Amino acid sequence: AQSVSQHNHHVILSEAASLELGCNYSYGGTVNLFWYVQYPGQHLQLLLKYFSGDPLVKGIKGFEAEFIKSKFSFNLRKPSVQWSDTAEYFCAVNGDNYGQNFVFGPGTRLSVLP
Amino acid sequence: DSGVTQTPKHLITATGQRVTLRCSPRSGDLSVYWYQQSLDQGLQFLIQYYNGEERAKGNILERFSAQQFPDLHSELNLSSLELGDSALYFCASSDIDRGHTGELFFGEGSRLTVL
Repeated sequence: AQSVSQHNHHVILSEAASLELGCNYSYGGTVNLFWYVQYPGQHLQLLLKYFSGDPLVKGIKGFEAEFIKSKFSFNLRKPSVQWSDTAEYFCAVNGDNYGQNFVFGPGTRLSVLP
Repeated sequence: DSGVTQTPKHLITATGQRVTLRCSPRSGDLSVYWYQQSLDQGLQFLIQYYNGEERAKGNILERFSAQQFPDLHSELNLSSLELGDSALYFCASSDIDRGHTGELFFGEGSRLTVL
């Protein structure tokens, strides 16, 4: 079955530290990849997405992610986090074999200390 | 504002009761998805509808049902409620059927508390 795994359940960083959140998926076909963010008490919002082309995609608020097909990975990065980045981050995959189903990872909670 | 509207925002009810959650997708989106988010289970896909027809089913209990109406709004019915059904229920819609990127647009959720 298709699945998405995220490496960390909870990450704690100080402001200005660099961030990398891991995401791996299991599927061999063409995939669309997403990172969603959920700020405390809010709904999920799209951070960035990859469909084709340059495997390094840039999103909002200084986030970027790199698609490495050979590793089935789509890791999220940010060079310098801020306290306002405290949130839960979800990796998601929508592959052609998934139909229109989105498979979400379990989420990584990021806590940024001021 | 994602354009997806969910009502009610908060709902408190008792065990054994039945509730209905409502979702209006973004204008023009034909696909509606329902997700349940709880602390111990994370974000769980429940069911998807496309233009009134059930398209995919996830971890949806038999006590739960959903439908999508001709005007494309959707309702999620939860019956014989149990304490464990307390969760945040999200609706999302997608523009993938219109040849767009297939991104999911989420509503703000309905928080259900079962006492």
